[in-house]
Formats: sequence, structure tokens, C-alpha cells
Amino acid sequence: EAAVTQSPRSKVAVTGGKVTLSCHQTNNHDYMYWYRQDTGHGLRLIHYSYVADSTEKGDIPDGYKASRPSQENFSLILELASLSQTAVYFCASSDTGGDTEVFFGKGTRLTVV
Amino acid sequence: QQKVQQSPESLSVPEGGMASFNCTSSDRNFQYFWWYRQHSGEGPKALMSIFSDGDKKEGRFTAHLNKASLHVSLHIRDSQPSDSALYFCAASETGGYKVVFGSGTRLLVSP
Repeated sequence: EAAVTQSPRSKVAVTGGKVTLSCHQTNNHDYMYWYRQDTGHGLRLIHYSYVADSTEKGDIPDGYKASRPSQENFSLILELASLSQTAVYFCASSDTGGDTEVFFGKGTRLTVV
Repeated sequence: QQKVQQSPESLSVPEGGMASFNCTSSDRNFQYFWWYRQHSGEGPKALMSIFSDGDKKEGRFTAHLNKASLHVSLHIRDSQPSDSALYFCAASETGGYKVVFGSGTRLLVSP
């Protein structure tokens, strides 16, 4: 089965600090995604990428940057963490986009204090 | 407003009962629909896809799509306690890269 690995699995960050969430996939998938999960909002798309060295804005990109240095790796960067960014973050990958299954990692629980 | 809206927010059914979920899209460009399930502490996992009008059955799970009304549903027959989870509808455009998820329906199946 497709494997998507996220690190760290949980993190506590201070307001105003920089946070980097990492994601690695071993499935040779072109598409990678970062989603945020909050109660009542489901999964909201932050950034996505369909090729290395290129990223695209999702539905809620403000306050987040993304980096795709290789096909396997996709990072989410919070330059100035804020309390409102406390959430669970999921990285995911898929083979050819919306018509194929999206495989998710186990998530990173981020708490900003 | 979210482009993919789900109802109900939560659902409780007895073991062996039928669970039904609804999903409506506000974007007529969406052509591909998926249902995902997320157990507590895990990432979502795909249950099934449906791309054509009508019904699609996979074991205890049946999905129905009506593109004219942009409505998709999921039905679980003979529900089991292990089916208790958060269920998401997801949609994307033809040739699109973005996959948009709804807010989810929480299912509780009581023994």
C-alpha cells in the first residue's frame, strides 16, 4: 500500500516562531497535498504540488508556505506561527490527481501556545 | 461557503442498521467523487469512488451519483461497530489537481 510519512507526529510551537512540517512519500506519486483538519471544517486544502520545485495555493494558503524539493518530499512552513494555526495537519499524495485515490499520512498535531 | 457540503453532521445507527450519508456540490465542474473514512487517530482512507451517474456497489457499501443535481450519497448496510468513524465526501474536476473535501459526517454504530 502507498506510504506517506509525516514528521513530527506532534509539535508544540510558540507564537511567532517558525514551524516546518515534513512529508515523505515512497509511491512515486506526482501529486502531493497539505490539508488542515479542524472540528466542523473537515479537511481544507492549504497547498498542493504536481511536480517537484513547484507548488500551488489551495483554499486556505494565508500564513503558510510550501516547498517541494523533490518528488518524494513536500514541506509545510509556518514562518510566524499563530494560535489560530493550532490544528491537525495531513500530508497526502496521489498518482494522477482527482480521479485517483488520495493516500494520507497519519497526521501532525500542532499546538501553538 | 464550502464547495462540497455534507449532511448530516452526525449519525447514530444500531448494529445491523443502515447508515446513509449525503453530499452536495456547488461546483458543476466537479466530475470525480470519492468517499473516505477516517478512524480516530488515523488519516482518511478511501472507501470508494463514483464517476458515473447511478449506483455503484462494493460489498456493504453503495454509492449513488446524480450529476444533474450534483448530489452523491453513500449507504452502508448491516452497519458494524467498526464502521464508527468520520466519513468524508471528496470531489475534483476533470483533469484537475485539487481534491476538495466536505466537512464530514460522524457515524456511531451502537452494539
